[in-house]
Amino acid sequence: EVQLVESGGGMAQAGRSLRLSCTASGFSFGDFGMSWVRQAPGQGLEWVGFIRNKAYGGTTEYAASVKGRLIISRDDSKDIAYLQLNSLKIEDTAVYYCTREGQYCGGDRCVPQGHMDVWGKGTTVTVSS
Amino acid sequence: EIVMTQSPVTLSVSPGERATLSCRASQRISNDLAWYQQKPGQAPRLLIYDASTRATAVPARFSGSGSGTEFTLTISGLQSEDFAVYYCHQYYKWPGTFGPGTTVDVK
Repeated sequence: EVQLVESGGGMAQAGRSLRLSCTASGFSFGDFGMSWVRQAPGQGLEWVGFIRNKAYGGTTEYAASVKGRLIISRDDSKDIAYLQLNSLKIEDTAVYYCTREGQYCGGDRCVPQGHMDVWGKGTTVTVSS
Repeated sequence: EIVMTQSPVTLSVSPGERATLSCRASQRISNDLAWYQQKPGQAPRLLIYDASTRATAVPARFSGSGSGTEFTLTISGLQSEDFAVYYCHQYYKWPGTFGPGTTVDVK
């Protein structure tokens, strides 16, 4: 079964840092780009960052709202993606979802598509002063 | 940043009826649009990508259409499990952006 499981959420103080993990199973993790999406209480979805697979350079993209504070990384040997958010703010309070980037596969090649075809259940982060 | 808008905010529909949800992009995004369904307390689930391609295991009553700036998600013959919030998402240009969502509830 294809699965993403987030961990590392909880209470954190403003100004501190947190690191979330996303453990993948049921697919070849290293072949896929991975995103983090968050949802503040009662609000909509906000994409915060993305890391490409190694075949596409393993490079990252970050939303403006977290740029400079967010680092997304991956360990393909462990099938884990990480989100590290520094200088936490009250407004970082949210459920954080890990997602897999969808692909189109034709012949022996798969091309990233940009949509998010697998989602974890999420982990809740609460930032207090 | 591409801004996504959705209408209506809330759509009240009786079971068995058709629901039509709209999504508009602030600039052309080709067909790089996805729809997700989210039920209370659950993670979103991919329904449609590339504007009109159903994701794996998504029932045929869900269909998507549109390109450019105007997109539609149609749910034909609403079932009880379809009452939820629906988000559109453009992935044409970084950063990917979501619409604010449409809540489909029971009339």
